[in-house]
Amino acid sequence: QVYLQQSGAGLLKPSETLSLTCAVFGRPLNDYYWTWIRQSPGKGLLWIGEINHNGYTNYSPSLRGRVTISLDTSTKQFFLRLSAVTAADTAMYYCATFDKATYYMDFWGQGSQVTVSS
Amino acid sequence: QSALTQPPSASGSPGQSVTISCTGTDNDIGGFNYVSWYQHHPDKVPRLIIYEVYQRPSGVPDRFSGSKSGSTASLTVSGLQPEDEADYYCCSYAGANNFGVLFGGGTKLTVL
Repeated sequence: QVYLQQSGAGLLKPSETLSLTCAVFGRPLNDYYWTWIRQSPGKGLLWIGEINHNGYTNYSPSLRGRVTISLDTSTKQFFLRLSAVTAADTAMYYCATFDKATYYMDFWGQGSQVTVSS
Repeated sequence: QSALTQPPSASGSPGQSVTISCTGTDNDIGGFNYVSWYQHHPDKVPRLIIYEVYQRPSGVPDRFSGSKSGSTASLTVSGLQPEDEADYYCCSYAGANNFGVLFGGGTKLTVL
């Protein structure tokens, strides 16, 4: 059974750095890509970026420069960092498995609500 | 790149069929057969219901079907049931310029 467990801070002030963790259960990190997605209030989904076990990363052009995705194969976790947050980064953030061969996300974390407010 | 275009809402009565469209460009939907659809109930995790345009993961009822014509993909829900009321998002590979994937803005499906 594949299961993704998210953790991380929920309330940030502008200019701070968002940090989220996604722990992977039931699927080896080596065989898949891993991705972060967010949903801002009243808006649709936005793909944030991806990483594979070799450390290859790719980011959404709209967030490139502020976003870093990393992973730790020893603990089977991957991470999201988003620097210099503003109110526009307030969103529900999801981690998910990403089939890089056919570009779909089949298992999702439970979601982490992040609010940016002064 | 812009998000894919979906109608904001759709509706149908129980037992009816509803089709939700998702329009992109030749750089995404029109160029690749990597369209997926996700069902999202409020306060729940998004669920993959269609991948590679028309493939269904195990456990997804065959009432859900996908198709594509040119740069427009479609999701059809047949025999509508009350539990089908949810938001539906399309998603497509965005091409070799390293844009990853693009999502549609989402369609709120209401079962009347």
